[in-house]
This record gives sequence, C-alpha cells and structure tokens, in this order.
Amino acid sequence: DAGVTQSPTHLIKTRGQQVTLRCSPISGHKSVSWYQQVLGQGPQFIFQYYEKEERGRGNFPDRFSARQFPNYSSELNVNALLLGDSALYLCASSIGQPYGYTFGSGTRLTVV
Amino acid sequence: TQLLEQSPQFLSIQEGENLTVYCNSSSVFSSLQWYRQEPGEGPVLLVTVVTGGEVKKLKRLTFQFGDARKDSSLHITAAQPGDTGLYLCASSNFGNEKLTFGTGTRLTIIP
Repeated sequence: DAGVTQSPTHLIKTRGQQVTLRCSPISGHKSVSWYQQVLGQGPQFIFQYYEKEERGRGNFPDRFSARQFPNYSSELNVNALLLGDSALYLCASSIGQPYGYTFGSGTRLTVV
Repeated sequence: TQLLEQSPQFLSIQEGENLTVYCNSSSVFSSLQWYRQEPGEGPVLLVTVVTGGEVKKLKRLTFQFGDARKDSSLHITAAQPGDTGLYLCASSNFGNEKLTFGTGTRLTIIP
C-alpha cells in the first residue's frame, strides 16, 4: 500500500508569495493533519481535517488555510510568505486516535 | 497548552551500550506516542501507550508509561547504528486528535 504522499518535496519561494502544498492520505484514512517543523524542533500542529470538516486549528496566523477534498486528499495554503515560514511541512493521516499517525516525508519550503 | 519536555536533548553513545530517553509533562496524557525521525523524512510511529503503568516492547526497545500518565520513557538495549535518529514523544487527549510533540532527543550511535 502507498503511504502518505506529499508534493512537491522541495520548493523555494520569495517573501510575499503564496504556496500550496498537497497531501494524499493512506487509503481508508479519513483524518488528515498538517504540521510545521522548524529545524531543530518538534513538529507543531497547524490543522486537522476529518470528513472534509476542520476539527482543529493550531496557533498559526490566518495566512495559513487548508481544505480536504471528497477523496480525503488535502491542501495547505500559505499566503504572504515570510522568512519564518521556512520549514518542513508534514502531512499525516490516521484512522483516529489513539492509533497514531502515519506521516509523509514532508515538503521542504524555503522562503528567500 | 500541554508541554512535553524530553531529556536528554542530545545523546551520543557507543554501539552495544544501553540508553534511556525521558518524556515528561505537568499534565496528564490520555495517550502517548513515540516516533523516530531520520533527516529529510517524516516521523515514523514506534508505539502508542494508553494505560498508566503500561510497558510495551518492540525488539530491543522498551517503552513505559508512568502510573500517573504524566511521563514516559524509552529504553534501548544494545544500541546499534541503525538506531540513530531524532526520537520524539507526542501526546494526545481524548476527543482531540491534535498531537503535541516533545522537544526531541537526537541520538547518535557510534560504530
């Protein structure tokens, strides 16, 4: 079975631009979450979606938004990029807690 | 906001030695998960513990959940170079799928 797939794997953007990151969960997983991991730190929760509904939002500005599609794939959008948005963005899918998450390999975003 | 502190932050030991990594919080967890992350990859789930006092073994790795459900430990026996990586604990609470990650322990096993 395919794991959680994320695209693109790497990208470089300029300050002020907008970016869209994509995630396909494991087949059968209806829950998708997004995390931001800055170098040297643990992942920080951004959003969680279940059955296309937002179930949780972390402490991130409104420049961050997400959505989940009928096939359970998801997109994370970040507007007006700042240098501090440079990080590894991780997508994770689950059948539900406490069964744990399966993470994708992430998208490495560099803002210059 | 639940905060998880891991110790030590960095650990470098020789192959064959034993080690223990700790994860502590001032709050009670409903469940605690351990992940290992390698450079350029996402975290990989090692184990989930949900019952206070629970002990789980995964080959050379032993995971323990504190009786009060505020702490956990990961013990590795006879460490191997393949154990090298960033070890993260993460907690969640019933009704909330948000994971709160610890600060991480970066483990290096020297051949």
